[in-house]
Amino acid sequence: DAGVIQSPRHEVTEMGQEVTLRCKPISGHNSLFWYRQTMMRGLELLIYFNNNVPIDDSGMPEDRFSAKMPNASFSTLKIQPSEPRDSAVYFCASTARVGVDTQYFGPGTRLTVL
Amino acid sequence: AQTVTQSQPEMSVQEAETVTLSCTYDTSESDYYLFWYKQPPSRQMILVIRQEAYKQQNATENRFSVNFQKAAKSFSLKISDSQLGDAAMYFCAYRRARQLTFGSGTQLTVLP
Repeated sequence: DAGVIQSPRHEVTEMGQEVTLRCKPISGHNSLFWYRQTMMRGLELLIYFNNNVPIDDSGMPEDRFSAKMPNASFSTLKIQPSEPRDSAVYFCASTARVGVDTQYFGPGTRLTVL
Repeated sequence: AQTVTQSQPEMSVQEAETVTLSCTYDTSESDYYLFWYKQPPSRQMILVIRQEAYKQQNATENRFSVNFQKAAKSFSLKISDSQLGDAAMYFCAYRRARQLTFGSGTQLTVLP
């Protein structure tokens, strides 16, 4: 299995630009999580999907952030407009059975907003 | 709210020696899961080992083992025969239902 796939691996953009991060979960996994990692706040859960439906988005920092999961094999996290404080590593993780099985993480996307 | 505490920001170990990383957590639940994840310089989060709270037996994965003390809410990771490739940031994590809570991490250096 290829594991969780994220793209791009690195993204550098200017403040105000739109950024889209992509994730392909492990085949057969029906739950997907987006996390953000910063030095100041550590790892934070942003949003969680179960069977393509957003279940809990309470971790999404503000309206500039949005996430979608149009099908079981693809999810996006969009930031519009981006700000320098959004600079972080964004991880996607998936699990077969939420609350029971282990979450497997993708390689992350390092986002730098200038 | 659950909290996970890793009191050792940095640790070092000589190659081939054994090192123990500490983790404590705070919860009022009795049914939960505990994990150790490894994050090498590549930034990927790699599962090292997992422990179900209802199991008394400590989990073991090759050179990695845990000391799970449920009453003390302690979950330490022991790495035996340390290798250079073990150098990474190690995160302890607690999961109850869908919520996964991470500690602040311990940076492990392996000295040749």
